[in-house]
Amino acid sequence: NAGVTQTPKFQVLKTGQSMTLQCAQDMNHNSMYWYRQDPGMGLRLIYYSASEGTTDKGEVPNGYNVSRLNKREFSLRLESAAPSQTSVYFCATPPRGPSTDTQYFGPGTRLTVL
Amino acid sequence: RKEVEQDPGPFNVPEGATVAFNCTYSNSASQSFFWYRQDCRKEPKLLMSVYSSGNEDGRFTAQLNRASQYISLLIRDSKLSDSATYLCVVNPMDSSYKLIFGSGTRLLVRP
Repeated sequence: NAGVTQTPKFQVLKTGQSMTLQCAQDMNHNSMYWYRQDPGMGLRLIYYSASEGTTDKGEVPNGYNVSRLNKREFSLRLESAAPSQTSVYFCATPPRGPSTDTQYFGPGTRLTVL
Repeated sequence: RKEVEQDPGPFNVPEGATVAFNCTYSNSASQSFFWYRQDCRKEPKLLMSVYSSGNEDGRFTAQLNRASQYISLLIRDSKLSDSATYLCVVNPMDSSYKLIFGSGTRLLVRP
């Protein structure tokens, strides 16, 4: 049971390049979330998916797109990376069990945009 | 005003000290409250949930004051391994399923 896995762990992009961050979970929950974390800002929600086939914008969605591929996978795409998107990105889902009011995080992707 | 506010610290304390962190939240309809711990360059991990009656887990005690919209975390007998950032987290339990995170309080426990 891997929990929440994210790939890649690290990435360096040049301005204007595109990339997709992958997230997969085996917690068997419907909801999944993408956050970014910047120094002094805390975690901010980019997009979330309440269930397979649905996605919604969070607090900071500009510059990102998401795809809920199936119940397990939720990807985040940067179509044209900008230096302001340099951040640590975390994927999350509720932990195993019936509770859905908290979240379990993946190990993160550290992205630098030059 | 931020939805969840914490003192960023750092709190620099000696081993064995007792330290308390406070957190205020703005949404009076919030239903669930948590403290997460985050080590440097790692993901946040749930430390404990905060119940209205207060709850204790070993050296850690969390309390909630709904009237003042205030949450606290008390750490007794601090260990070097307690050095981390502590995130106050609120779940407004609305239809969005979102969690609202404070920006964290950094704790440094020195020998």
